[in-house]
Amino acid sequence: GAGVSQSPSNKVTEKGKDVELRCDPISGHTALYWYRQSLGQGLEFLIYFQGNSAPDKSGLPSDRFSAERTGGSVSTLTIQRTQQEDSAVYLCASSLDRFRVNEQFFGPGTRLTVL
Amino acid sequence: ILNVEQSPQSLHVQEGDSTNFTCSFPSSNFYALHWYRWETAKSPEALFVMTLNGDEKKKGRISATLNTKEGYSYLYIKGSQPEDSATYLCAFNNAGNMLTFGGGTRLMVKP
Repeated sequence: GAGVSQSPSNKVTEKGKDVELRCDPISGHTALYWYRQSLGQGLEFLIYFQGNSAPDKSGLPSDRFSAERTGGSVSTLTIQRTQQEDSAVYLCASSLDRFRVNEQFFGPGTRLTVL
Repeated sequence: ILNVEQSPQSLHVQEGDSTNFTCSFPSSNFYALHWYRWETAKSPEALFVMTLNGDEKKKGRISATLNTKEGYSYLYIKGSQPEDSATYLCAFNNAGNMLTFGGGTRLMVKP
C-alpha cells in the first residue's frame, strides 16, 4: 500500500523566494502533521490537521509559514520570503486518528536549502 | 514547553556489541511514549508505542522498557549490526496524538 509521499524531495531556492512543499498522506488517515529538522536539531512540530477541525498552528515559527489541507487529504506547506534559517528537512506524517494512540507514518521529507 | 531528552547524542559501537540509550520525559500527564528509527535518506519508522508503566516491548534484537513514574524509557539493541546504524528518536505524547520529540541518539555500528 502507498505510504506518505512528499514532493519535491529536494528544493534549492534563493533567499526571499516563496516555496511550496506538498504532502500526500495515507488514504483514510484523518490526522496530518508537519515537522522540520534543522541541522543539529531535533524534530520540531510545526502544524497539524485533524479532519475538518481548525488546524493547530502553534508550532509555526513565523507568519511567513502557512499550511492548508484541501479536502481533508493533500496538504501544502508554504514558506514565504524564505530565509537561510528556513533550511531544513521538512517531514510530513499522518495517523489514523489524533484521539487514539496511533503511530505516525512519516513521508521521506523535503530537504529545503535556502541560499 | 515539554522537555524530552535523549542520551547519548551519538554512539559508536563495534558489530556484535549490545548497547542501550535513554529517553527522559515529563512524568506528569503521560499518554504514550514512541520510539522511531530514522535511517539516512529514509522516513522515520515506528518501532514501539508504549502506554503502560512497566511496559516492555521487543522487536527482533531491539527492545524497550518504560517507567512513567520516573519519566524514562530505555531502548536496547542486542548484538548490534551495521544495518542498525540510524538515529533513534523518542517522542512523548501527553494528549491526543501530539508528539514532542527528543533530539535523537545517532548510532553508528562499525563492522
